[in-house]
Order: sequence, then C-alpha cells, then structure tokens
Amino acid sequence: QVHLVQSGGGVVQPGRSLRLSCAASGFSFGSYAMHWVRQAPGKGLEWVAVIYHDGSNEHYTASVKGRFTISRDNSKNTLSLQMNSLGVDDTAVYYCARGGTTGNWLDPWGQGVLVTVSS
Amino acid sequence: VMTQSPDSLAVSLGERATINCKSSQSVFYSSDNKNYLAWYQQKSGQPPKVLIYWASTRESGVPDRFTGSGSGTDFTLTISSLQAEDVAIYYCQQYYSSVSITFGQGTRLEIK
Repeated sequence: QVHLVQSGGGVVQPGRSLRLSCAASGFSFGSYAMHWVRQAPGKGLEWVAVIYHDGSNEHYTASVKGRFTISRDNSKNTLSLQMNSLGVDDTAVYYCARGGTTGNWLDPWGQGVLVTVSS
Repeated sequence: VMTQSPDSLAVSLGERATINCKSSQSVFYSSDNKNYLAWYQQKSGQPPKVLIYWASTRESGVPDRFTGSGSGTDFTLTISSLQAEDVAIYYCQQYYSSVSITFGQGTRLEIK
C-alpha cells in the first residue's frame, strides 16, 4: 500500500527554522519525483517545491526560493523540507506528495502537518 | 495561471455539477497528444485526492459519475449525478511546466 507519513510541524517564531520530513512506503521511492504543497488556513493549494527522482534537480516557487531546501534520501525513502527565515506568510498545512513518472499529477499525498509561524 | 469558475456552486442531489478551469497557456503537448491537466477533490480536513489526470483519465477507484473533458486551455469537470459524499472543494492543476505546477483557486461544491 502506497503511503506517505509526515512529521515535523509545529509552532515557530518568525525568523526561525523548521524541518519537515515525509516517510514513504509501498513503492519504489527512488523512481518518482516528490513535491511539497502548502495550504494556508482557509485558502487554496500552493505548490512549494519539487525534487527529481534521483535528487539531481530541484525547483521552488518564487516566495520560498533561497529560504527553503527540498532534499531526499533514497536509501531511507525519506523526503525533507528545510525551512529557514520563516515568516507569518509561511503559516500553512504542508503536504508532501508523489509526482508521476510520466506526468506530475500528485498521488498520493501525506496527511499534512501544520506549521504556525507566530511570535 | 489557472482560473476556475465558479468559485462556489450549489447543486441538488442527483443533479449535474459542472466546474470549469481555464489555463492562461495551452497545456497540450502535441508531441504526445496529451493535455497535462489534473483534477483533485479535497474534503474537509483531508488532503487532496486525484480524480482525473491527462484531462480525462479517471483515477482507479473514482466513480464514473466524475468526467473530465477539454483540451488546450479550457477544461471541465462534470459530476453527472451529485451524491452527498461529493461535497468538497475541487481543484484543477497543470503539470505542463517541467519546473513547476500550478493549481486553480478551487471551487467549493455544496448541496442545494
């Protein structure tokens, strides 16, 4: 059964850092691109970042470029998102999600973790 | 930019619901004759779930009352006979770009 289990959310002060993790199981993790998507309270979905299946390339939405780093460990079937210099606008539920091998629709998604940036 | 219409929709049980999605650029790749467009359903308190990809391919397990159509820049998600469990927010998403993906703003579907 394909499964993504997330950890690492919480409350953090503005300017601080937080690291999210996503543990994958039930599929060949190293064969798929992986994404992070976030959803601010009461808002829609915002794509955050993608990392290629082999970790060879990463892309970010403009608002997090230079602050967030996506990474993966294919030997441990784990995806991470290092978030630095957090601001109140980063408050959201963060989801990890698997991309496709032929097209980047997202399936499945992790359960989501809430990141609250507040003083 | 992906623009959905309407922002919200109320439909009676058993009636048809139609949600539109318009892309600012074509998401059709002539090299493989595919539209790089997906539809998702998000129920309250849950992560999104893919319903449709390649604009019209239904994900395994998705009821056949859900149909995706359209090509190029204009797409439609149709629910042929609304059921109570279909109350949700629906999103379209383009995956045409190799460096990013983009979601529509969402359409809230309710029972009239």
